Amino acid sequence: SQKIEQNSEALNIQEGKTATLTCNYTNYSPAYLQWYRQDPGRGPVFLLLIRENEKEKRKERLKVTFDTTLKQSLFHITASQPADSATYLCAPLNLIFGKGTKLSVKP
Amino acid sequence: NAGVTQTPKFRVLKTGQSMTLLCAQDMNHEYMYWYRQDPGMGLRLIHYSVGEGTTAKGEVPDGYNVSRLKKQNFLLGLESAAPSQTSVYFCASKAGLAGTDTQYFGPGTRLTVL
Repeated sequence: SQKIEQNSEALNIQEGKTATLTCNYTNYSPAYLQWYRQDPGRGPVFLLLIRENEKEKRKERLKVTFDTTLKQSLFHITASQPADSATYLCAPLNLIFGKGTKLSVKP
Repeated sequence: NAGVTQTPKFRVLKTGQSMTLLCAQDMNHEYMYWYRQDPGMGLRLIHYSVGEGTTAKGEVPDGYNVSRLKKQNFLLGLESAAPSQTSVYFCASKAGLAGTDTQYFGPGTRLTVL
């Protein structure tokens, strides 16, 4: 069956550093992969989509990579800020989400 | 645009009681979804709809029923609530079937079954 793994339940980093979150998938070859942000008590909000023929996608301080050989997507937040603290979800398929990684950025 | 709204925001039920959660969207989206989110389990799809009058089962449909009588509304029903249905329920909608279409989520309904 299709399986999605986000390698860390929680990631703690210092303000100003780059946060890197990982999403691995198995038994599936998605043509697209989406990343969402979820704040406590709220629904997920779409951030970025990357297609299989795009190795990298950027939006302001966010960068997503997609390696179809490794079956992995990396999500980077550069110059992280405390306001970036949230749970980040990957979704290789719209109907299936990873469990998320809770990012905490300490001042 | 209000986007996706959910009613109610919170609810406490006793085992065996029934209730209906309402999801409404004003974006004229064809597709609507109901998820539940539990600690350590992530988002799990309960039921979904690909258009008015249609529904389909997701990953965890048991104990739930849904209806989509109007395009803008998607109802989730619990006929006989159980403690295992204590969860946060999210509704989502999207325009079409393309993988590039973004899902828009509602704010969630926190349900406790005693």
